[in-house]
Amino acid sequence: ILNVEQSPQSLHVQEGDSTNFTCSFPSSNFYALHWYRWETAKSPEALFVMTLNGDEKKKGRISATLNTKEGYSYLYIKGSQPEDSATYLCAFHMNTDKLIFGTGTRLQVFP
Amino acid sequence: DAGITQSPRHKVTETGTPVTLRCHQTENHRYMYWYRQDPGHGLRLIHYSYGVKDTDKGEVSDGYSVSRSKTEDFLLTLESATSSQTSVYFCAISDPGTILQFFGPGTRLTVL
Repeated sequence: ILNVEQSPQSLHVQEGDSTNFTCSFPSSNFYALHWYRWETAKSPEALFVMTLNGDEKKKGRISATLNTKEGYSYLYIKGSQPEDSATYLCAFHMNTDKLIFGTGTRLQVFP
Repeated sequence: DAGITQSPRHKVTETGTPVTLRCHQTENHRYMYWYRQDPGHGLRLIHYSYGVKDTDKGEVSDGYSVSRSKTEDFLLTLESATSSQTSVYFCAISDPGTILQFFGPGTRLTVL
């Protein structure tokens, strides 16, 4: 059974704090690593997909890094804002058509 | 937003009844997926399709069947609904060129 683990499960930070979360995935049969942002009562929204070891992606205040050899990815949020409050999901994309999702990190940013 | 709709958006049904959920896309994407979302489990793949009439099982396929008779529609059927199938169901689409999956708005199903 393939396991994708995310930590922490939840995080509460103050507005302006920077934060980061981890996604661990199997280091074999790697095709891509996805990050999604999921607000309550909405559907998951794609943030990044990374395919190469050492990839770094950035979208505004959010960035992500990828290490395929050791099987982890970090998501960073710089200067968190209340509108960043959401669950952040990573998904491991094997060299098949399927994604295996982690259970997510639930971020709450307090004003 | 990617053109993905799901119907119905909410449904309450009784144990033992058949239920069909529909996912419709206007993007002409090749791949379509059905997931269920449950607390503590994140998103789990039920079935997916890689083309018309081409489908395969995901990790939680027991009790579910799917059909895809045309590119734009992917149907999920619960032949005889059980309370353990109470969940929120998401459809997603993707294309080999983009890799990313785009999700529909979800269907909340309650089986009493």
